[in-house]
Amino acid sequence: KQEVTQIPAALSVPEGENLVLNCSFTDSAIYNLQWFRQDPGKGLTSLLLIQSSQREQTSGRLNASLDKSSGRSTLYIAASQPGDSATYLCAALRSNDYKLSFGAGTTVTVRA
Amino acid sequence: GAGVSQSPRYKVAKRGQDVALRCDPISGHVSLFWYQQALGQGPEFLTYFQNEAQLDKSGLPSDRFFAERPEGSVSTLKIQRTQQEDSAVYLCASSLAFLGGSGSGANVLTFGAGSRLTVL
Repeated sequence: KQEVTQIPAALSVPEGENLVLNCSFTDSAIYNLQWFRQDPGKGLTSLLLIQSSQREQTSGRLNASLDKSSGRSTLYIAASQPGDSATYLCAALRSNDYKLSFGAGTTVTVRA
Repeated sequence: GAGVSQSPRYKVAKRGQDVALRCDPISGHVSLFWYQQALGQGPEFLTYFQNEAQLDKSGLPSDRFFAERPEGSVSTLKIQRTQQEDSAVYLCASSLAFLGGSGSGANVLTFGAGSRLTVL
């Protein structure tokens, strides 16, 4: 069974600081890994998707890396802004049954 | 449509009532999923459709949960005799292609805003 862990569970930083969010997974047989953003009471917004053959993906201030062999992914958010405050979830798509296994998320608060 | 649409957004039910949650996937999307998200947790897989065929329902918590997608587009998740532990956000997601395929859009899921169910 794929276990996905996100550390830390919560993070509070002053505006302008860089954010580093960690995700680890126990089974390296994944098809891809996706990072989502979830605002309170809302659904999931896809931020970045990294195919298993890729090492990283970038979109604006966001950069996600993937090390499949060690079962780790990291989401970097540069120059954080109060609007970045949300819960960030990582999810690994399993190769054997194509189910998404989610972490519990990291709740980020960016203080103005 | 432009995105995955779910209704109702909020539902309050008395314990023992039946509820039905609707999902309108992106037009033309072959694959459809239901996930359950308890407070403070990540979403958990419930069931998966490929067109109208329910290929995997291993995540449904009990036989009180039933999902259908009769014409391969709109899907309904029905919960009978609701219990307090059913309180959660129910998320629907769709994907353009068959899971595991190599075509464009394969294995990329788009999520709806969810239906928040509260059972009193």
